[in-house]
Amino acid sequence: DTEVTQTPKHLVMGMTNKKSLKCEQHMGHRAMYWYKQKAKKPPELMFVYSYEKLSINESVPSRFSPECPNSSLLNLHLHALQPEDSALYLCASSHLTSGYQLHTEAFFGQGTRLTVV
Amino acid sequence: GNSVTQMEGPVTLSEEAFLTINCTYTATGYPSLFWYVQYPGEGLQLLLKATKADDKGSNKGFEATYRKETTSFHLEKGSVQVSDSAVYFCALRGLNSGGSNYKLTFGKGTLLTVNP
Repeated sequence: DTEVTQTPKHLVMGMTNKKSLKCEQHMGHRAMYWYKQKAKKPPELMFVYSYEKLSINESVPSRFSPECPNSSLLNLHLHALQPEDSALYLCASSHLTSGYQLHTEAFFGQGTRLTVV
Repeated sequence: GNSVTQMEGPVTLSEEAFLTINCTYTATGYPSLFWYVQYPGEGLQLLLKATKADDKGSNKGFEATYRKETTSFHLEKGSVQVSDSAVYFCALRGLNSGGSNYKLTFGKGTLLTVNP
């Protein structure tokens, strides 16, 4: 099973709303990621969790707040977003090798299409 | 730093034609190389991978060979189908200056359209 499941598939929210995106994997991966993808562009890395701890924040605005409740789940909490934050949000996961803690190939979910109005 | 350059397209082919999408990279050391495919309205799917020089990744009739001497990882398929219409991303995982490889570096993507 190489599945990463994201919910919801589509989300429309106002600029004053609070919402959350959810991601789940059962591959035993200990690295999980959030990416943002705008139309006709490659994905851009937002956050990296390694062993349930936030290890990388790619200078993402604080209106995006990630959370990793356990080794299978990853959330992205959204608050006071702007229309320019409308995009496809992708979750991904990968193994971390023992020793050097290197990331292996990433498996992506289907994404959440977010529209901010 | 690490970078990936791939032909941007769009590429339009007739069914059963031969496909090549070029991908070259710049990286220190020995990165792992990947091809991802994104169908309309969906996330990215890992199509194939290669982790060391001369490795050939293959899946669903697609192939790519890790060529360190030319720093290339070109994607090929002998006979494309309408269902292969999608965006294809070349990507690498290479070490950064801090010794970590957490970042996937993507090319800009190539839109492939296959007509019946």
